[in-house]
Amino acid sequence: QSVLTQPPSASGTPGQRVTISCSGSSSNIGNDYVHWYQQLPGTAPKLLIYRNNQRPSGVPDRFSGSKSGTSASLAISGLRPEDETDYYCAAWDDSLSGWVFGGGTKLTVL
Amino acid sequence: QVQLQQSGPGLVKPSQTLSLTCAISGDSVSSKSAAWNWIRQSPSRGLEWLGRTYYRSKWHNGYAVSVKSRITITPDTSKNQFSLQLNSVTPEDTAVYYCARSEQWLNNWGQGTLVTVSS
Repeated sequence: QSVLTQPPSASGTPGQRVTISCSGSSSNIGNDYVHWYQQLPGTAPKLLIYRNNQRPSGVPDRFSGSKSGTSASLAISGLRPEDETDYYCAAWDDSLSGWVFGGGTKLTVL
Repeated sequence: QVQLQQSGPGLVKPSQTLSLTCAISGDSVSSKSAAWNWIRQSPSRGLEWLGRTYYRSKWHNGYAVSVKSRITITPDTSKNQFSLQLNSVTPEDTAVYYCARSEQWLNNWGQGTLVTVSS
């Protein structure tokens, strides 16, 4: 059971906008930044969004993040077939003194 | 650019010790701003942070409660790498293991090592 809660699946059609939620608590999301990772099959997670809403260089501006209270969201606009993969949220947990993750959301592009 | 290269066996027998190493290029294991983490991923447990080591005038370690009694993470300054040892493994420890560098987020990951615990 993951500390952060994500929906197991999400879907959309090409060109559509989809959002993926991530729910936590006051000891993690409520007290620190949220980061998002994209994981392609057979590869390590890749940083997609850091500090709630910042994009590393090379990440398209179709990807955006937001945070409010103990929840956060990842939005993907202009959905493309290559966006079909797994997405994870992560945050530092002060109570656990460690990194915690969401269970992952598998995005399907219909 | 920081790169992490993992090495170690992919098969470990039950009750034995799992040992993996993560070689660092582009940074120092003794960095005063980074921490060096081990994370694993399995279908049943998802992504699970195991622990970290970091240097801030002296060496510090932090471990997940779930593995605290069985885990050791050790830096090796002479080889600029860090290692994971997980004792008394069971089939439940079968997972892909990743090393990762963090500052305020986990920004660099190793390639991953599938470790299977089986006799």
